[in-house]
Amino acid sequence: DQQVKQNSPSLSVQEGRISILNCDYTNSMFDYFLWYKKYPAEGPTFLISISSIKDKNEDGRFTVFLNKSAKHLSLHIVPSQPGDSAVYFCAASASGGSNYKLTFGKGTLLTVNP
Amino acid sequence: DVKVTQSSRYLVKRTGEKVFLECVQDMDHENMFWYRQDPGLGLRLIYFSYDVKMKEKGDIPEGYSVSREKKERFSLILESASTNQTSMYLCASSFASHGKLFFGSGTQLSVL
Repeated sequence: DQQVKQNSPSLSVQEGRISILNCDYTNSMFDYFLWYKKYPAEGPTFLISISSIKDKNEDGRFTVFLNKSAKHLSLHIVPSQPGDSAVYFCAASASGGSNYKLTFGKGTLLTVNP
Repeated sequence: DVKVTQSSRYLVKRTGEKVFLECVQDMDHENMFWYRQDPGLGLRLIYFSYDVKMKEKGDIPEGYSVSREKKERFSLILESASTNQTSMYLCASSFASHGKLFFGSGTQLSVL
């Protein structure tokens, strides 16, 4: 049972345009959401997060939107740059426990073309 | 600067060998995790630990065990390596009160 779903395995955009990566979740206990970026042969690096008490969080070119009623979040990258080409993972956790285990989606490969 | 260090970047082992993957963090984090990443399957949790000598199974613990004797170190053990354990292994750590994980660079393990 996949609790965090990234339905697009890949996305290709032109440099300077907006990239929109989507993520859906099924577990209503999830209340903290994160996006990670991963280059080949490297570990994932944290990009941006959002708590369920918010519906938007912005950090420079990156904005995450959360729609709790739809159990959907999205990551917007504006403007997209070739260096943004990587695999992006959506992750979620439920803060009820003390261990804050993250559940990851399968990832979306973003390619930004010059 | 936060640091999670995995002992090897690349490892080649033979079927049936016992394999140790070591991970050390210098951030005094309570939680430590082992994930594996496979194409099309994303990141899957193998085991995690929320305190010294404590461990809990993740989603795919079969064929693996772990050890956490010190707070900063978390080891993943493949008791008898098999070819289906060829994968990228990622160690991560976090504070107990926060879900943000910090990852190591990963170990690409090939079992022949």
